[in-house]
Amino acid sequence: EVQLLESGGGLVQPGGSLRLSCAASGFTFSSHTMTWVRQAPGKGLEWVSAIDRGGVVTYYADSVKGRFTISRDDSKNTVYLQMSTLRAEDSAVYYCARRFCSGGTCYFFDSWGQGTLVTVSS
Amino acid sequence: EVVLTQSPVTLSLSPGERATLSCRASQSVSSYLAWYQQKPGQAPRLLIYDASNRATDIPARFSGSGSGTDFTLTISSLEPEDFAVYYCQHRANWPLTFGGGTKVEIK
Repeated sequence: EVQLLESGGGLVQPGGSLRLSCAASGFTFSSHTMTWVRQAPGKGLEWVSAIDRGGVVTYYADSVKGRFTISRDDSKNTVYLQMSTLRAEDSAVYYCARRFCSGGTCYFFDSWGQGTLVTVSS
Repeated sequence: EVVLTQSPVTLSLSPGERATLSCRASQSVSSYLAWYQQKPGQAPRLLIYDASNRATDIPARFSGSGSGTDFTLTISSLEPEDFAVYYCQHRANWPLTFGGGTKVEIK
C-alpha cells in the first residue's frame, strides 16, 4: 500500500523558515516524480513544486520561486520542501503527492499524504 | 500558464440525480486532464486521468469526457458519499495548474 507521511509543519513568524518532509513507503520511490500541493484555509488546491525521478530537474510555482527548494533523498524514500522568507499567504495545509510515472510518461497525482499545516503569523 | 475555469462554482442536487461539471482550459491541453474529489478534512483523491480514464477503484458512475479546451465530469447518479468538492488539473506543461473547484452539495 502506498503511504505518504508529511511532517514539519507548524507556526512560524513572517520571514522565517521551515522544512517539510514527506516519508514514502509501499512503492519504488525513485521511479516517480514527487510533488507538493498546498491549500489555504477554505481555498482551492495550488500546485507548489515538483522534483523529477532523477532529482535533477525541479519545478516551482511562480508564487514560491526563489523562496522554496524541493529536494529528495532516494536512500531514505523522502522528499523535502525547504521554505524560506515565509509570508502570511504561505499559510496552508501542505500535501505531498506522488506523480505516477510509467515508462517515459508521468501522469497525475495518484497518491496523497494527509497534509501538514503551516501557519505564518507573528 | 494554462488557466482552468470550472463551472458552476456550486451545484445543488439530490441523491440519485445526475451531476455534470465543466472544466475549460485557456489553451489546448489535449487529453491531459484529470479530476479529483476532495471531502472536508481529507486529501484529494484522483478520480479520472487523461480526460476519460477512471483511476483505480473509482466507481463506474464517474465518467469523464472532452479534449482540447472543454472537459466534463459526469456523475450518473449521485450517492450520499459523492457530495464533495471536485477539481480539475492538467498535465500539458508546467505549471500543472488546478481549476478553482466545483462544490457538489445536497439540495
